Amino acid sequence: KQEVTQIPAALSVPEGENLVLNCSFTDSAIYNLQWFRQDPGKGLTSLLLIQSSQREQTSGRLNASLDKSSGRSTLYIAASQPGDSATYLCAVRRNSNYQLIWGAGTKLIIKP
Amino acid sequence: DTEVTQTPKHLVMGMTNKKSLKCEQHMGHRAMYWYKQKAKKPPELMFVYSYEKLSINESVPSRFSPECPNSSLLNLHLHALQPEDSALYLCASSQVGFDRGYGYTFGSGTRLTVV
Repeated sequence: KQEVTQIPAALSVPEGENLVLNCSFTDSAIYNLQWFRQDPGKGLTSLLLIQSSQREQTSGRLNASLDKSSGRSTLYIAASQPGDSATYLCAVRRNSNYQLIWGAGTKLIIKP
Repeated sequence: DTEVTQTPKHLVMGMTNKKSLKCEQHMGHRAMYWYKQKAKKPPELMFVYSYEKLSINESVPSRFSPECPNSSLLNLHLHALQPEDSALYLCASSQVGFDRGYGYTFGSGTRLTVV
């Protein structure tokens, strides 16, 4: 059974710092992994999608990596800003299935 | 157009009311989803439509009734809900094709309160 874990559950850092959010999964048989951002009471915004054959994806200040063999993905945020404060969720898409398996999220607070 | 649009944004309904949530996308995605999200929890899958046909029902109570009138629209009809059904309801869409590994696009959600 696929399980997805995000550590830490919460993170508070000063503005300007680089930071890494972690996502681990137990079964390497995945189609892809997607990172989302969610602001309080709002919907989900897709940040990065990594296919199972890829090692990393970049968008602006964000870089996501994927290591299937170790069951890990990281989301790197460079030069953090207060506007980056949100909950970050990773979700794994299983083979031959519409299901997304979700981590519990990391709540990120960037202090001005 | 790269968005999934959900209406209404907020809904308060009594336990005897009948209401509907609406979702629309114009990205040509042929898979559409309803998710339910409680506070501080990840989303839970409710229904999946593929090519306008219901393909997955995650044992959702019959007081929730989905409908997919066409490839761009998805509705969720609500009737005789309970207070514990209060949650954020999210619609999502994706392309179909398991060998391609497509990502999901989510709407901004409907905040539902049952009184």
